[in-house]
Amino acid sequence: AQSVAQPEDQVNVAEGNPLTVKCTYSVSGNPYLFWYVQYPNRGLQFLLKYITGDNLVKGSYGFEAEFNKSQTSFHLKKPSALVSDSALYFCAVRALHQTDKLIFGTGTRLQVFP
Amino acid sequence: NAGVTQTPKFQVLKTGQSMTLQCAQDMNHNSMYWYRQDPGMGLRLIYYSASEGTTDKGEVPNGYNVSRLNKREFSLRLESAAPSQTSVYFCASSEPWGLAPNEQFFGPGTRLTVL
Repeated sequence: AQSVAQPEDQVNVAEGNPLTVKCTYSVSGNPYLFWYVQYPNRGLQFLLKYITGDNLVKGSYGFEAEFNKSQTSFHLKKPSALVSDSALYFCAVRALHQTDKLIFGTGTRLQVFP
Repeated sequence: NAGVTQTPKFQVLKTGQSMTLQCAQDMNHNSMYWYRQDPGMGLRLIYYSASEGTTDKGEVPNGYNVSRLNKREFSLRLESAAPSQTSVYFCASSEPWGLAPNEQFFGPGTRLTVL
């Protein structure tokens, strides 16, 4: 069965430092992977997706994600964190044989300190 | 464009009461979804609709029913609410996937408490 794991419940980083939010996946077939962000009291917003091709995917708000097939990972990164990046981040994978459905991870809370 | 709208924003029910959560989208999307979000559980799919008149169960459908009234609207009904249904409910929509997957657009959520 398709699944994603976000091993860290919370990530703390100082403003201006690089940040990484980790995601690993388990899929049958080609992985279609997504990152979403949820700001307080809001719905989820799409950040970026990996379908095929370049392993480094660029997305909204300066975020990027690196697809690593050998490590089955899809980590979210940003070179310089902002306090406004503080939010809940979700990794998601396409559900097997169900093209329009996604399976979400449990989420990682990113806290950026001034 | 309002995107995806949900009503109500907040609701408190007593055990056994019923209610309907409303969702509408103005992006002309075919696919619509209902999720629930619980601490430590992420988002779990309750029901899915690929088009008007079609619905499909997701991961946690028990205790819920849905109606895809038309292309714009997708409602979620709790017939007899239980405390285990206390959660934040999100509606989402997307274009159906063809050669490539499309992102889902989410509403602001409904925070439901069942006493």
